[in-house]
Amino acid sequence: IAGITQAPTSQILAAGRRMTLRCTQDMRHNAMYWYRQDLGLGLRLIHYSNTAGTTGKGEVPDGYSVSRANTDDFPLTLASAVPSQTSVYFCASSSVSGANVLTFGAGSRLTVL
Amino acid sequence: GQNIDQPTEMTATEGAIVQINCTYQTSGFNGLFWYQQHAGEAPTFLSYNVLDGLEEKGRFSSFLSRSKGYSYLLLKELQMKDSASYLCAVTNSNYQLIWGAGTKLIIKP
Repeated sequence: IAGITQAPTSQILAAGRRMTLRCTQDMRHNAMYWYRQDLGLGLRLIHYSNTAGTTGKGEVPDGYSVSRANTDDFPLTLASAVPSQTSVYFCASSSVSGANVLTFGAGSRLTVL
Repeated sequence: GQNIDQPTEMTATEGAIVQINCTYQTSGFNGLFWYQQHAGEAPTFLSYNVLDGLEEKGRFSSFLSRSKGYSYLLLKELQMKDSASYLCAVTNSNYQLIWGAGTKLIIKP
């Protein structure tokens, strides 16, 4: 592993299903983030974690949950997927929170039918 | 509200120079970032400005004017591989990162 690994790369799922997007980093970064990227819109922050054991809500948190049990892992869960959650999801990390450079994972393309 | 404005799309010729503008209105300012994103890939960091002026890094330069809420990314000696989207992002006073929608740059031979 080098940097951030996201899984799955892409997924199609039925509305109402539960889905967890996985994110693992090996840089020992304290801060981690989940963004969604939709055509014509800027990256929108879903949830973030400034350090292991803490999480916070971003701009568009509804319908999503996260956990940060350790430094490396930051999974994003959709409890009951809806079509409006069709998007590309990026996990990112930075050494500390604040005005710091983000390193992004390759993204997970999710389609909810 | 807070917003970042950048052109949706620009076209330039290989070997030429292009300037991508970004204007912002945010609650406070703690730095401005430029990221490059090739189609289907993750954004990657290009530059960071927190003070007024020009930061040069090889073929790429980034300029900031805090009083005007304005930045630009200057790409010189354009290459086909520079075809990508360029994302402008500003950190506000709460250290929230506000993102523009990105500028898609098309390079023609």
